[in-house]
Amino acid sequence: DAKTTQPPSMDCAEGRAANLPCNHSTISGNEYVYWYRQIHSQGPQYIIHGLKNNETNEMASLIITEDRKSSTLILPHATLRDTAVYYCIVRVADNFNKFYFGSGTKLNVKP
Amino acid sequence: SQTIHQWPATLVQPVGSPLSLECTVEGTSNPNLYWYRQAAGRGLQLLFYSVGIGQISSEVPQNLSASRPQDWQFILSSKKLLLSDSGFYLCAWSGRDRVVQPQHFGDGTRLSIL
Repeated sequence: DAKTTQPPSMDCAEGRAANLPCNHSTISGNEYVYWYRQIHSQGPQYIIHGLKNNETNEMASLIITEDRKSSTLILPHATLRDTAVYYCIVRVADNFNKFYFGSGTKLNVKP
Repeated sequence: SQTIHQWPATLVQPVGSPLSLECTVEGTSNPNLYWYRQAAGRGLQLLFYSVGIGQISSEVPQNLSASRPQDWQFILSSKKLLLSDSGFYLCAWSGRDRVVQPQHFGDGTRLSIL
């Protein structure tokens, strides 16, 4: 059962920052926020995850609100290759490590 | 480094025929393994997961089954395919050395049932 809400689609101009929102208002204290993306006809690619602190890696930044009820994935300089469906997932840290994907946000990066 | 392989990349099968999709993982030991299905234009649905050899858990009732004969091998099967089994099948693995782990996906098998 997906526990997240994302807009179905967003547009972004090439070279600009893409800010993808995710609502997870029922998140529990021991649940992590993960982000994946899926380029057409490929397997999903892991981007980033966090618990309550903001996180940054070579691909993106993850900003989690203080109440943890929402988060934003930031692609600082979007390129055409970033066009994909982006999934926000919350999951409990346990040994089963199961992920439940929602419908995601289709990000269209335009020249 | 760890790698995951799925084959075949595409498959066309008639209704009522059997199915066997294979997934193998290299470069890691005792991984968790997962099978997902993705219908056209939809998100991924978790079908099965395994935490060890011979240990299979099913997430949804369906016409498919899974097996894990080796630590590095995960197989998705059906005795008789239905039209509704069409879709994009993805295998994934995650490590078990830490509780907080991402999953890593293969390139998938696109299955069409005629």
